[in-house]
Order: sequence, then C-alpha cells, then structure tokens
Amino acid sequence: GIQVEQSPPDLILQEGANSTLRCNFSDSVNNLQWFHQNPWGQLINLFYIPSGTKQNGRLSATTVATERYSLLYISSSQTTDSGVYFCAVGNSGYSTLTFGKGTMLLVSP
Amino acid sequence: GAGVSQSPRYKVTKRGQDVALRCDPISGHVSLYWYRQALGQGPEFLTYFNYEAQQDKSGLPNDRFSAERPEGSISTLTIQRTEQRDSAMYRCASSLVIGELFFGEGSRLTVL
Repeated sequence: GIQVEQSPPDLILQEGANSTLRCNFSDSVNNLQWFHQNPWGQLINLFYIPSGTKQNGRLSATTVATERYSLLYISSSQTTDSGVYFCAVGNSGYSTLTFGKGTMLLVSP
Repeated sequence: GAGVSQSPRYKVTKRGQDVALRCDPISGHVSLYWYRQALGQGPEFLTYFNYEAQQDKSGLPNDRFSAERPEGSISTLTIQRTEQRDSAMYRCASSLVIGELFFGEGSRLTVL
C-alpha cells in the first residue's frame, strides 16, 4: 500500500513563530487531507488538498502531486495550535485514507 | 445532523465481553468509514461502506470484528469477546462518494 512519511516527528515553538510541516507519499494520490488532533482528541479538518495551494487564516497548504509531497505552513503560531498534525492520503476509487504518524507540535507562551 | 456523531464516547468493559459502537454520519453522505487509533499512532483503516454495502473490510484485524450499515445510514461496529489489545480510539468518518472525509469525536474503548 501507499506509504506516508511526515516530518519532523516533534516540534517545539515559541508563540509567534512560523513553521513548516512536510508530508511525503510513495504513490500518486487523488485525495490528501491535513488534520489537527487537538489535546482533547478531536480530529479537525484543516485542508482537503490533493493538489494546488489553499489558505485559511494563519494556515496554508501546498501539494505538489507530481513530486509526491505536501507542506503545511503555520504562521504566527498560538498555544491553541498545539497538538498532532496528520497528513492522510488516498489513491483508490473511493476516499479511504492512509495516515502518516503525525507531527506533534507544542507551542509555548 | 451537523456532524458525524459517535456513541458511546467512552466505554470500559471487561475482557471477554462484546461491545457495540455506533456511528451516525453526516446527512446525505453515502460513504462511511471506520478507523482505529492506538495511543501515539495515526488512525488505521478498518472498513468502508458505500450506502449499505460493505465495500472493503480488509482492515478488520480478525473475525471478532464486524460492522454493518443495514439502511445505508447509521453503522455499528461490533467487537466480540474483547481483548485488552482491542483498547483504542475507534473513529468513524463519512464523505460524499468521493472527496473529503469528516470524522466524529471517536469512541474510546478500554478493555480491562
């Protein structure tokens, strides 16, 4: 099956700093999503981005499908950004996703 | 409903008991997925339904696990004769036929 690698595995930031999270995948995809798992365990949709670039407030994402990677940018980080960020991809005829191991982010005040 | 709803949110059971976890998808979503997430890991696929048809059950770990969606809406994941290794967060998601998946808040199962 498709392999998903996320980097870095852990990240500690001071509030206000910027960061870039990376997701590499091993095959062509027709679905790619970024999620934020908050400290309460909720899995929150950030972006549905099988290709191209999207922005939502302080967050933006870019997927370069031909080179098999996606990037999640967090600007002016806040303590509420803490949690685990998952990249998940799919390449079947339906939307089943394969998740990476995640990047654990801690933003300190 | 407005989002994917799962119940119970927390379930503690004794080894050997059967458990049933329920998922109510977003209204109008024809596809429904079950995932399992161990502590410190990403969610792993269990099974997938398109309407009432179970299209893929390749992720179910063994025959103690089963799922159904008899009327193409609410789904139940059943674990028979639970074991301690079954302890995990069980997540349900729904989507249109192709597209973005939306997850519920999960059911955390603890087997003593």
